[in-house]
Amino acid sequence: GAVVSQHPSRVICKSGTSVKIECRSLDFQATTMFWYRQFPKQSLMLMATSNEGSKATYEQGVEKDKFLINHASLTLSTLTVTSAHPEDSSFYICSARDQRLDNEKLFFGSGTQLSVL
Amino acid sequence: SQQGEEDPQALSIQEGENATMNCSYKTSINNLQWYRQNSGRGLVHLILIRSNEREKHSGRLRVTLDTSKKSSSLLITASRAADTASYFCATGQAGTALIFGKGTTLSVSS
Repeated sequence: GAVVSQHPSRVICKSGTSVKIECRSLDFQATTMFWYRQFPKQSLMLMATSNEGSKATYEQGVEKDKFLINHASLTLSTLTVTSAHPEDSSFYICSARDQRLDNEKLFFGSGTQLSVL
Repeated sequence: SQQGEEDPQALSIQEGENATMNCSYKTSINNLQWYRQNSGRGLVHLILIRSNEREKHSGRLRVTLDTSKKSSSLLITASRAADTASYFCATGQAGTALIFGKGTTLSVSS
């Protein structure tokens, strides 16, 4: 199946710093990628849809200036958490579809655990 | 936003027993999918059932769908310790993001 690679898997940063998370589709092209956030013992909440070559679409309540998304190529989307604060500590997961297979199931990265001190 | 509820929230069983998880959703769907998440990891697709299907099997997995009740169930037969994980149902239109249920945490003890 399709492989989505996400880095880093874990990051600890000081409050006020910015953190960049990368999501790559390794063996397929992804014009669209999806970023989710997950708090402990909770479900995945969709943050935004990343579109190659255009602006991301953010879900209601997600600050676009706080969570910067760039999808500069067909295989790479990045999420930058700007001026991170402890409340941004969470598990961030990206996903994409391999349209060569179908347009329905999602392939997920392994996630990034962000801890802001 | 979340699509619906899953129950139970947590389920503990012994190896060899069957595990049943239920999912309810709110809107009309084209298909419903189940995913598995090991602790601290990404999600893995398990099975997809289309709105015109009532039951589907894949190995030890059996999924049912009742569109009149807007509900689905996932049955794992002859469970193993390695089945310990969280299980989520998800719905969405082709090409769009999936919306996930709250999930069921399954613990299988040997």
